Amino acid sequence: EVQLLESGGGLVQPGGSLRLSCAASGYTFSGFAVSWVRQAPGKGLEWVSTISGSVGIPGTTYYADSVKGRFTISRDNSKNTLYLQLNSLRPEDTAVYYCVRPRIRDEGYIDSWGQGTLVTVSS
Amino acid sequence: EIVLTQSPGTLSLSPGERATLSCRASQSVSSNFVAWYQQKPGQAPRLLIYAASIRATGVPDRLSGSGSGTDFTLTISRLEPEDFAVYYCQQYGSSPQTFGQGTKVEIK
Repeated sequence: EVQLLESGGGLVQPGGSLRLSCAASGYTFSGFAVSWVRQAPGKGLEWVSTISGSVGIPGTTYYADSVKGRFTISRDNSKNTLYLQLNSLRPEDTAVYYCVRPRIRDEGYIDSWGQGTLVTVSS
Repeated sequence: EIVLTQSPGTLSLSPGERATLSCRASQSVSSNFVAWYQQKPGQAPRLLIYAASIRATGVPDRLSGSGSGTDFTLTISRLEPEDFAVYYCQQYGSSPQTFGQGTKVEIK
């Protein structure tokens, strides 16, 4: 069974930084792309970032325009862990951040979701 | 970027009734790469349908997806109590992938 377990969320001031982690288990982590999707309180889903797996060009990264230049996605296949470094945080970045596994392509449909970690940006 | 518009925003129905949820894309979705997700309060979304009409593992056959091009539909033939939730469509045919704003199916 695929399991994705996020951690690292919390309260941070505007302009601050945070690093989210996602521990994966139950499948061959290195072989698959992994992504972050966020959901602001009471709002819909927004794709944030993806990093490719071993198929294609490993380690290729993709970002939503809203976070490009501020967020950095990375992975450590030896630890089966995905990361998201969040810098220059804004109040509009407040959301639950889900670690997800896309299928078929790097930006594919999502067959597995973590439980999410809440990031709150507020002074 | 492809914009997905879901309608209606809220659907008020009784158990046993049929639910029809619409997802309209601002331009044609390549290969009909549309997925549907269900989300209940306090939970992560759950995959229901991918490639417009393929049910994910464990999804009951009262849920079905259809459509092509720019118009896609999720149909629940007979609503069960566990079907009352928020539903999102996603297109993954073009980058960036995008989601609709959601349709809430509530008990009438």
